[in-house]
Amino acid sequence: SYELTQPPSVSVSPGQTASITCSGDKLGDKYAFWYQQKPGQSPVLIIYQDTKRPSGIPERFSGSNSGNTATLTISGTQAMDEAHYYCQAWDSNTFVFGIGTKVTVL
Amino acid sequence: QLQLRESGPGLLKPSETLSLTCTVSGGSISSTSDYWGWIRQPPGKGLDWIGSLYYSGSTYYNPSLKSRVTISVDTSQNQFSLKLTSVTAADTAVYYCARSPGDNWFDRWGQGTLVTVSS
Repeated sequence: SYELTQPPSVSVSPGQTASITCSGDKLGDKYAFWYQQKPGQSPVLIIYQDTKRPSGIPERFSGSNSGNTATLTISGTQAMDEAHYYCQAWDSNTFVFGIGTKVTVL
Repeated sequence: QLQLRESGPGLLKPSETLSLTCTVSGGSISSTSDYWGWIRQPPGKGLDWIGSLYYSGSTYYNPSLKSRVTISVDTSQNQFSLKLTSVTAADTAVYYCARSPGDNWFDRWGQGTLVTVSS
């Protein structure tokens, strides 16, 4: 079965850039999606089809996907961005999620 | 604004059947461009897709759960449902329903409902 690998945690200082990677076999040939989940809340879609932001998602969130790795970038990270971030792909008629990355804003 | 809300028992005993319903408001479950899915999240863990369906009734499931899962739709009530048989403590999780706008991602999620399996 297809697997997506994410680092368990990423730390970033306020105002700096956070990069969260998501790796999978030939992931660049598929679309990658990203969700943000804060404690006690439902996941929120923040990036779809590799690079697109849904309405209402701040511009500081951006995505890329090439080769075996998709990357979520948070530019000018704010304290409110502290959350878990999950990548997701579609493979063989199944939704596949990464294990999630906890972003801590120090 | 499309909204989804999960409902169902919050406590089950091992070997029982989990039954949850997702009520969709602000939109039609019969939309030809949308699919509808169930995802769960064990306490302190990540997201695990359970299965999805189209309003016509066609379904597809996570292979790891397929033998125990049935997802069905009631278009007259604008609802879809999840049944998971023979539950164990490992099925304890927050269960979410969500919409897929046709292209294999989830853009709207319900608030989630915690289901605990305990004797």
